[in-house]
Amino acid sequence: NAGVTQTPKFQVLKTGQSMTLQCAQDMNHEYMSWYRQDPGMGLRLIHYSVGAGITDQGEVPNGYNVSRSTTEDFPLRLLSAAPSQTSVYFCASSYSGNGYTFGSGTRLTVV
Amino acid sequence: AQSVTQLGSHVSVSEGALVLLRCNYSSSVPPYLFWYVQYPNQGLQLLLKYTSAATLVKGINGFEAEFKKSETSFHLTKPSAHMSDAAEYFCAVSAKVQTGANNLFFGTGTRLTVIP
Repeated sequence: NAGVTQTPKFQVLKTGQSMTLQCAQDMNHEYMSWYRQDPGMGLRLIHYSVGAGITDQGEVPNGYNVSRSTTEDFPLRLLSAAPSQTSVYFCASSYSGNGYTFGSGTRLTVV
Repeated sequence: AQSVTQLGSHVSVSEGALVLLRCNYSSSVPPYLFWYVQYPNQGLQLLLKYTSAATLVKGINGFEAEFKKSETSFHLTKPSAHMSDAAEYFCAVSAKVQTGANNLFFGTGTRLTVIP
């Protein structure tokens, strides 16, 4: 039972490049979310999903895209990376929304 | 709307002293409240959660928190700090949004330093 797995752990992008942050969970959780963590700002919700085929925007969705084709996977796409997207990204999942399990994070630097 | 305020971005305590990390919430509905801990370069680990059962909630590593509706507070305490408690602590509130999801909204975090 691996929990929530995020890849890659580290990534450096050039401004304007695109990439996908991967997130997979093996707990059959319906709820999945993406957060970004910035110093002094806590964690802010980017996008979330309540099940396969259902996604919605969180607090800071601009510049990010998501899809949920299976229960297990919830990738986060950066369409055209900007320095403001330099952050640590966390994926989380939950059975009912009452307590989330977090992945170990992806540290992204955009230069 | 739901939100969380953590008072004090940095707290320092001596080893063996009481740990008190403050969290106040704002919620238009009965909230679910959580404390998470983050060790350096790691993800978030759930310490404890309040889900409308007992108001005093016990968590892992000797931490506990008390839900006080009259004060809209959910402060985290530990009687005796250990060096291993040095980490960043996040309070979070769970709120049901229009889609039916229970999303987590986080405070800005409190970094705990334990002085030997």
